Amino acid sequence: DAKTTQPNSMESNEEEPVHLPCNHSTISGTDYIHWYRQLPSQGPEYVIHGLTSNVNNRMASLAIAEDRKSSTLILHRATLRDAAVYYCILSPTGNQFYFGTGTSLTVIP
Amino acid sequence: NAGVTQTPKFRVLKTGQSMTLLCAQDMNHEYMYWYRQDPGMGLRLIHYSVGEGTTAKGEVPDGYNVSRLKKQNFLLGLESAAPSQTSVYFCASSYLTVTAYRYFGPGTRLTVT
Repeated sequence: DAKTTQPNSMESNEEEPVHLPCNHSTISGTDYIHWYRQLPSQGPEYVIHGLTSNVNNRMASLAIAEDRKSSTLILHRATLRDAAVYYCILSPTGNQFYFGTGTSLTVIP
Repeated sequence: NAGVTQTPKFRVLKTGQSMTLLCAQDMNHEYMYWYRQDPGMGLRLIHYSVGEGTTAKGEVPDGYNVSRLKKQNFLLGLESAAPSQTSVYFCASSYLTVTAYRYFGPGTRLTVT
């Protein structure tokens, strides 16, 4: 299974943009890049996913490097509710879906 | 539409006891999954099912059994609980597509003493 590397923790001020990086240098051509987040004492929730092109949705944007060896989750205006652990996951198929330890995001009021 | 629900929310077991965790989804999803999450760790896949009557092993299946007798339910059983199985257990479900994202339940916190 392809590996991802994320910083253990990051901080952001409220209402400022946040860029959460993920390195995946061994990604294969069929691996999708998924992002999930886990709020305290809750199950993970889907944030965004992509394959090659940058993606936007109501929650966030996903910027994928041209060589696909890294990606960045962008939260455009961090709120206190965005404080969570963010997981970057590679998945070639629906079943092969492995969580790492993620990045713990702290939002400072 | 309740999404994914898990029963019970909390449980304390003594070593050697058995129990069953129930996961139910009302979204008509084909795929269902059981994960465990230990303190400070990410989620690890225990077992999963690609449809009614089917099950398959995930990353950490030892000590657990599962059954999917109905499409909407996925049961996780511990036949003889061990302290190493103290964890938070999450169930998830998804549609049958390559990019299908998972809907997770709220979790069951299990302590084995």
